[in-house]
Order: sequence, then structure tokens, then C-alpha cells
Amino acid sequence: GESVGLHLPTLSVQEGDNSIINCAYSNSASDYFIWYKQESGKGPQFIIDIRSNMDKRQGQRVTVLLNKTVKHLSLQIAATQPGDSAVYFCADLNTPLVFGKGTRLSVIA
Amino acid sequence: DVKVTQSSRYLVKRTGEKVFLECVQDMDHENMFWYRQDPGLGLRLIYFSYDVKMKEKGDIPEGYSVSREKKERFSLILESASTNQTSMYLCASSLQGSLGYTFGSGTRLTVV
Repeated sequence: GESVGLHLPTLSVQEGDNSIINCAYSNSASDYFIWYKQESGKGPQFIIDIRSNMDKRQGQRVTVLLNKTVKHLSLQIAATQPGDSAVYFCADLNTPLVFGKGTRLSVIA
Repeated sequence: DVKVTQSSRYLVKRTGEKVFLECVQDMDHENMFWYRQDPGLGLRLIYFSYDVKMKEKGDIPEGYSVSREKKERFSLILESASTNQTSMYLCASSLQGSLGYTFGSGTRLTVV
């Protein structure tokens, strides 16, 4: 079946550096993606979304890039902070939501 | 602030018990979902519902059932709990046609 998957299960980043979390998807028809952040003991929370008619979308300290040619998207976090430590999921917004397995971001102070 | 509330944060149940996990949302959302989350496996869809009294199987429905008698409440039922159902259970809801999901904080169930 169709799926989304993150490239790395874990990522460690020095505080202040930029983080890049990558995700691949398999469904060519997918046209809308969401990144979720899940902090310890909490449910996933929406960070940013992107539609397939866009290559890039920016939020506050976060940027999502979409490459439809290779079916790849990435989440970039600028000036990573300790509060960014969490598990990050990319999701293909075919209802119901199909999630990747998550990348655990650890921020080293 | 909109909310999805799961009735318990932590539960410990015995093998063979019937277990009810409750989820309530206050956003008048049509769609509700139950996922389980396990290390290395991510979130896997158990059941979902697009309307009252309606249910659809997700990817891993075996050993589970659901009930949606009211729009705001979606219950997950473990008919006879087993140790392999020890997991974090997450409920989510969304508006019909909407592309945004709101998640509850999760219920960590341990079956002993």
C-alpha cells in the first residue's frame, strides 16, 4: 500500500544549529502533507502543511520543502532550541491520515 | 481552545478483561479516529468514523471494536485484552473535508 516514511529514526542537533528532517512518500497522487510534532506525553500537534502546488512554505523558524519529482519533503528548523526536542511526523493527508514512523529530534545544549 | 479529551492517561488491565477507551471532542467534528503508537512502528490506524453510528476498519482492527453513538464521543473497545495490546492509544478528530487533525494526549495502556 501507499506509505510515508522518515529517513532517520533519530537526529541529534546542537542547540542553535539548523535541523533538517526528511520524509519520503510513495503515492504520486498525494497533494497535501502535514508535519506534526509530538512532545513526550502528548499527542501530535500540527506544525506546518504544504500543498503539492507549492515547493516551499515557511512558518516561524520552520520551513517545509516539497520535491514532487523524487517524492520527498523535508522540515527545516532554524536555530534549534531545547523546546524543539520531540518526535516529528510527516503525514500524507489522504483521509484517514497516513503517518510516517517519526524522527526523534534531540537537542544538545 | 478546541480539545480532544481521552478519559485516562494511564491504564493497567489484566489479560482477558474488556477495556473501554473513551474519547470526547468539543469541536463538533464529524470525523474521529483511533490510532495506536508503538516504538519503531509509528502511528497505526485501528478504526475511524465519519459519522454517528458509522465505523470503518483501519489497518489493524483485529482485537478491537468501536462505538460512536454520539457525534462527540468515539469509544475504542478491547473485547478481551491481551499483552500485545499494551501500547499508547491516540484519538483524533477532524471536520468533514478538513485537512487538519486534532489529537488527544493519549492513553498509555498496559495489559498484564
